[in-house]
Amino acid sequence: GDSVTQMEGPVTLSEEAFLTINCTYTATGYPSLFWYVQYPGEGLQLLLKATKADDKGSNKGFEATYRKETTSFHLEKGSVQVSDSAVYFCALRRTNAGKSTFGDGTTLTVKP
Amino acid sequence: DVKVTQSSRYLVKRTGEKVFLECVQDMDHENMFWYRQDPGLGLRLIYFSYDVKMKEKGDIPEGYSVSREKKERFSLILESASTNQTSMYLCASRSSGGVPEAFFGQGTRLTVV
Repeated sequence: GDSVTQMEGPVTLSEEAFLTINCTYTATGYPSLFWYVQYPGEGLQLLLKATKADDKGSNKGFEATYRKETTSFHLEKGSVQVSDSAVYFCALRRTNAGKSTFGDGTTLTVKP
Repeated sequence: DVKVTQSSRYLVKRTGEKVFLECVQDMDHENMFWYRQDPGLGLRLIYFSYDVKMKEKGDIPEGYSVSREKKERFSLILESASTNQTSMYLCASRSSGGVPEAFFGQGTRLTVV
């Protein structure tokens, strides 16, 4: 079946550091890939998405590129802020599939 | 502004009680989902529904049931609450068209004592 493997956390960085959170997936066909973010005390919200190979999703300074050859969708940000502290989930959904598959989440803490 | 609203942020119930968690969306989405979130286990799908009165079991349906009588409302029912159902419950909805993302509610933190 489909699966998503995320880099284990927690991740602690200083403000303005470079962030990478690794995500690899297993799925048949050509799934769409997503990063969701969960701020403390809230539900998940979409951060960015990509629907086909070599697509780059971007939002709020975060980026991720859909790499079919390595089945990866790593999340990056050049300079993190304290306000980026949250849990980040990588997810996939195959076209016409009813449900999405989520990774286990990676907790990011950014210290001033 | 699109919205998925869960009826309670925090809930404390006793073992053996019947518990209803309600979720309402205002986006006319066909698909609705219930997940539970536990430390170290990520999100686990309990049930989902792709249309009114339709439901599908997710990965961990045991001890739960659902009801979808209207398109905008999806209820999760714990028939007889147990302490191992203490968790964060998240509702989500999604359109069937295109490649849409899911929209999540703020979650209900349920404690069963």
